[in-house]
Amino acid sequence: SAVISQKPSRDICQRGTSLTIQCQVDSQVTMMFWYRQQPGQSLTLIATANQGSEATYESGFVIDKFPISRPNLTFSTLTVSNMSPEDSSIYLCSVDGTGVAGNTIYFGEGSWLTVV
Amino acid sequence: KNQVEQSPQSLIILEGKNCTLQCNYTVSPFSNLRWYKQDTGRGPVSLTIMTFSENTKSNGRYTATLDADTKQSSLHITASQLSDSASYICVVSGSNDYKLSFGAGTTVTVRA
Repeated sequence: SAVISQKPSRDICQRGTSLTIQCQVDSQVTMMFWYRQQPGQSLTLIATANQGSEATYESGFVIDKFPISRPNLTFSTLTVSNMSPEDSSIYLCSVDGTGVAGNTIYFGEGSWLTVV
Repeated sequence: KNQVEQSPQSLIILEGKNCTLQCNYTVSPFSNLRWYKQDTGRGPVSLTIMTFSENTKSNGRYTATLDADTKQSSLHITASQLSDSASYICVVSGSNDYKLSFGAGTTVTVRA
């Protein structure tokens, strides 16, 4: 299994500011992902964090708004830039240890951001 | 577009009763289906994962079924407890890539 620690767990942010969320895994993992879950909605994949290279973003998400770093196989950060109230969401880090079909995918506890 | 639809959207049950949640999907080719439990303000926690060849899998009082022919799955909660109050999310993987398709979830409220 994998234990994922996310920081901060929640924060209230001012409009126009940026916040960086950290994701630390207790073991080396191949795949790391960042999701957004808006109030009352299901999870939406923002991007795949690639170790040593630029993240792969899904349609509707861009690097300027959500820059991602992944310096090694156990750590990643997601920055939410120039925040607006529409960015109020839970942001979740997720890992898949081997990438093999059927492997359990683990989620962090989430970072609950409220933009005012 | 791959879709995962869950029903009902929400339900309320009395403590000790059973309930069944439904998940229909169109993901193809299919790889596996997972059920997650998400408490309010927390990250999803895995309950079960089933591949194409598996019809049923249990995890304590949670039993998931899968019919890959009709592309349907269910999650049965037996003898519900107050701690079962949560959102239950059906997640389907296709065999072409690692991407997941998420259902909108069913919110279960267990009342004493």
